[in-house]
Amino acid sequence: DAGVTQSPTHLIKTRGQQVTLRCSPKSGHDTVSWYQQALGQGPQFIFQYYEEEERQRGNFPDRFSGHQFPNYSSELNVNALLLGDSALYLCASSFSGRLSTDTQYFGPGTRLTVL
Amino acid sequence: AQRVTQPEKLLSVFKGAPVELKCNYSYSGSPELFWYVQYSRQRLQLLLRHISRESIKGFTADLNKGETSFHLKKPFAQEEDSAMYYCALSGLRNTGKLIFGQGTTLQVKP
Repeated sequence: DAGVTQSPTHLIKTRGQQVTLRCSPKSGHDTVSWYQQALGQGPQFIFQYYEEEERQRGNFPDRFSGHQFPNYSSELNVNALLLGDSALYLCASSFSGRLSTDTQYFGPGTRLTVL
Repeated sequence: AQRVTQPEKLLSVFKGAPVELKCNYSYSGSPELFWYVQYSRQRLQLLLRHISRESIKGFTADLNKGETSFHLKKPFAQEEDSAMYYCALSGLRNTGKLIFGQGTTLQVKP
């Protein structure tokens, strides 16, 4: 099991563009969470997907949206990119019961640079 | 407000010395606390969680609800412990949203 995988590894975009990041969860996991990690900061929760729906959301604008597919993989979309969106984007997968979530396993991240 | 504070950005110790990485939290309820570690060029990984009460790689952490702290300790630091350490909390029943501190870099000198 390769664990959580993310693509691409690095990405360079310009302001105003749109970007899509992808995540494949660890085998047996059904829940995907996305985090943004700015340089020198801890990861910040963006949102979590379970059963193909957004279950919980952090304090991020609507420019950040996501999707979960039937195979549990997930995409993070960011529209109208700003310079401040430059960060490492982490995906974490876990196994959920209806009310609780087990340990989150993190992917290697996608480094997004907005010029 | 839900918040995790790690007051030290950098902690530098010599090999064999005791280590204590500080973590304080603010949460109106009963949180679950975690320590995550990131070694050089590796992904973020769970080190320990308070409910399991395990000792991983010689590290322990006790949840002190009175002081709202969850400090990470190891009696004798090893060079391979050098890494970035993040304290994180989640709500009751670990509903998925992890709130991270800013992280502390532990540097163990030979």
